[in-house]
Amino acid sequence: GNSVTQMEGPVTLSEEAFLTINCTYTATGYPSLFWYVQYPGEGLQLLLKATKADDKGSNKGFEATYRKETTSFHLEKGSVQVSDSAVYFCALSDPGGSYIPTFGRGTSLIVHP
Amino acid sequence: EAGVAQSPRYKIIEKRQSVAFWCNPISGHATLYWYQQILGQGPKLLIQFQNNGVVDDSQLPKDRFSAERLKGVDSTLKIQPAKLEDSAVYLCASSSRQGGDTQYFGPGTRLTVL
Repeated sequence: GNSVTQMEGPVTLSEEAFLTINCTYTATGYPSLFWYVQYPGEGLQLLLKATKADDKGSNKGFEATYRKETTSFHLEKGSVQVSDSAVYFCALSDPGGSYIPTFGRGTSLIVHP
Repeated sequence: EAGVAQSPRYKIIEKRQSVAFWCNPISGHATLYWYQQILGQGPKLLIQFQNNGVVDDSQLPKDRFSAERLKGVDSTLKIQPAKLEDSAVYLCASSSRQGGDTQYFGPGTRLTVL
């Protein structure tokens, strides 16, 4: 079956540090890939997505590139802010799997001033 | 545009009791999802509807959980009887279509089973 593996958290950084959160996936087809973010006390919301190989999704300074050869979709940001503190979820939707969505466990990010 | 609405926001029950959750998706969204999110884990899909038909319910514990989406709009998820391990946040999401489309999540219902 499909699966998404994320790096364990929490990730703790100082403001303006570089962020990478690793995500790798297993899928039967050619999935669409997503990063969702959950800020404290709020629901999940889409951060960015990519629907085919080599696509780069970007939003709010975050980026992720769909790498089919390494089955990865790592999330990066060049300079994090305290307001980026949240839980980040990598997810996929696989047409070979009837589009059933699969989420990773989530990675907590804590940014200190 | 109104978001996904869920109620109640919080529920505390004793084991073996019944509970129901309600979800109203974004207007016009054909696809509706129910997830279970246990503390420290990612959302686990319980059931996915396309209009009022079930696309997938392979991870729904059908001996105690049931869900319906009458008229292809709002939906209810029921647990009867509840167990301690059902304590979790139950999330509802909707999207305009299946596949590589963005899901919009409601605020969730936090269930505590004592």
